[in-house]
Amino acid sequence: DGGITQSPKYLFRKEGQNVTLSCEQNLNHDAMYWYRQDPGQGLRLIYYSQIVNDFQKGDIAEGYSVSREKKESFPLTVTSAQKNPTAFYLCAIQTDRDTEAFFGQGTRLTVV
Amino acid sequence: AQKVTQAQTEISVVEKEDVTLDCVYETRDTTYYLFWYKQPPSGELVFLIRRNSFDEQNEISGRYSWNFQKSTSSFNFTITASQVVDSAVYFCALSEAGRNTDKLIFGTGTRLQVFP
Repeated sequence: DGGITQSPKYLFRKEGQNVTLSCEQNLNHDAMYWYRQDPGQGLRLIYYSQIVNDFQKGDIAEGYSVSREKKESFPLTVTSAQKNPTAFYLCAIQTDRDTEAFFGQGTRLTVV
Repeated sequence: AQKVTQAQTEISVVEKEDVTLDCVYETRDTTYYLFWYKQPPSGELVFLIRRNSFDEQNEISGRYSWNFQKSTSSFNFTITASQVVDSAVYFCALSEAGRNTDKLIFGTGTRLQVFP
């Protein structure tokens, strides 16, 4: 089955903890993206990676970190420095600007 | 600055009504791409359509149609004879050519509720 897999679907974090969200793809795309969705604010770009071992900050990177050790994997860590981490997180791949982005099913993170 | 505006936060209609979702964009690029995505309650974004800036031809796909007008920087989406299954949040997006990558600029979304 081809596609993008995000896990877990739901995640609960205690204040002060780091948590890592998984994003795996088997579509052999180079570019991968992490977006955050808050109610009424649409999607905002956190980090993106064009190739293995390289990644760039998006519009709201503070309090987050990523790695890209393998082409098929782009995990996102929400650190304790992120003051308001409760949100819906979506991973995506996109080949070029003229192609549609494919999204995973998302991870809903809640701070308890 | 690149920007996408979806002024309608929420729309409620009764089944079989037609409904139009508005999208207005701003960009300095002469070549750009516009998208519509549907987000059902499950959360995953589903791609609906892509349009490039050189193609102003309107498109129809079943009950869905899109009206792209460069003169007003708008890319509106109409659902004809709406159904309960159309209930979702709909996002309009603009593809921006960045320094190192291409990214999507999303509007804030329009929540459509279709009642039986």
